[in-house]
This record gives sequence, structure tokens and C-alpha cells, in this order.
Amino acid sequence: QKEVEQNSGPLSVPEGAIASLNCTYSDRVSQSFFWYRQYSGKSPELIMSIYSNGDKEDGRFTAQLNKASQYVSLLIRDSQPSDSATYLCAVNTDAGNNRKLIWGLGTSLAVNP
Amino acid sequence: GAVVSQHPSWVICKSGTSVKIECRSLDFQATTMFWYRQFPKQSLMLMATSNEGSKATYEQGVEKDKFLINHASLTLSTLTVTSAHPEDSSFYICSARRQGAGNEKLFFGSGTQLSVL
Repeated sequence: QKEVEQNSGPLSVPEGAIASLNCTYSDRVSQSFFWYRQYSGKSPELIMSIYSNGDKEDGRFTAQLNKASQYVSLLIRDSQPSDSATYLCAVNTDAGNNRKLIWGLGTSLAVNP
Repeated sequence: GAVVSQHPSWVICKSGTSVKIECRSLDFQATTMFWYRQFPKQSLMLMATSNEGSKATYEQGVEKDKFLINHASLTLSTLTVTSAHPEDSSFYICSARRQGAGNEKLFFGSGTQLSVL
């Protein structure tokens, strides 16, 4: 069964620090990888998408992908209290015409002022 | 950015009644919409994949006769929870995949909190 695994946390970092969130996946042929942020009681919002090995930076966020190790991470620089949320890793499996995301359980991040 | 409107945001109903949730893509056409359910402190659980003009594909363990999905147009999908029971109380979220997108991105509705008394 295809799986996406994340440490549930909570991960606690002080304001201004770097928060590092990790995700591993089991399906070696996965091609698309996403990080979503979800505040309590709200629906997920897309933070980053990454498709090829290496780093992808967008503002304070950097996604890192290593397909050989089946590992994708999200770094949040200069963490702010408003970054406190659950971060969901999602991996796209290509099952013919019924492509769908496989979701991790999420990592809870708390940024302390 | 693409906008997905989900309505209602929250609903309280009596046990045994039916509840309809609407999901609309406002500024793009969505050939595929996904319906998720999320219990407190748990991740998203895919219930079904809704394809425009065809029957929905349900995930294992999801009762298709209880959770009726209709995707009659490229911009609207509905989920009807029939004969709701307290155990159906959950956060229901729809998402839409943008037609023609080279890479897969989902746009989420704001979710519907269902409470069944």
C-alpha cells in the first residue's frame, strides 16, 4: 500500500528559528510532491509544490526533494507565530486517469514568541 | 489563483435527515473533484473522486448509497449525506483539479463542518 509518513510532532521552535519538516513516501514512481498548511478548523492551503530533485525556494519556504531516498522536506526560515499550524505532505500517485494525492497525517508546528 | 467555493460552511441536522454540500469552481473548469472527510486531529481521508458526467469512484469502506455524489457540470459537484447519523459528524472538504494543468495542483473549498444531533 502506498504510504506517506510524517512525524506527528508537535514540533516546537522559537520565533525567528528555522523549522524543518520531513516526509517520506513509499511509492518510488511518485512524480509530484506538495506541502499544505492547515489551520485548525480550516481547509488546507498549498504552500509549496516540487517535482524535481533539489531545492525550491519561495520566500521563507524551501522545499527539498530527494527521489533516491524518497524524502521530501520543508524548511521555514525566520519562523513566525502565524506559521503555527499543521503541515501536510501530499504525494501524487499516477493511477491511470484516476490520479489522486496520498496524504501524510501531518506535523503540528508551534512557533513560540 | 483558482477559487473553489464550498457551501454551507457549517450545518447542524437531526439524525436521519439528509444534508447536501455544494462545491463550485468559480473561475476554472474542473473535470475532477475530490471529496474528503477529516476527523479532529486526523489527516484528510479521501472519500470519493468525482468526474464530470460519470459516476463517482468511491474509496474502500465508503458507502456510495449513503454518500451520494453528483458532478453534473464542469463547475459543480455535490455531496449528499443521506440518513445522517452522529458518527457522520465531521469536517467535509472538497477540492478541484484544474483542467489542463500541466502539473497536478488541487484547490480546496473552505470545508463544511457537519454536526448530526
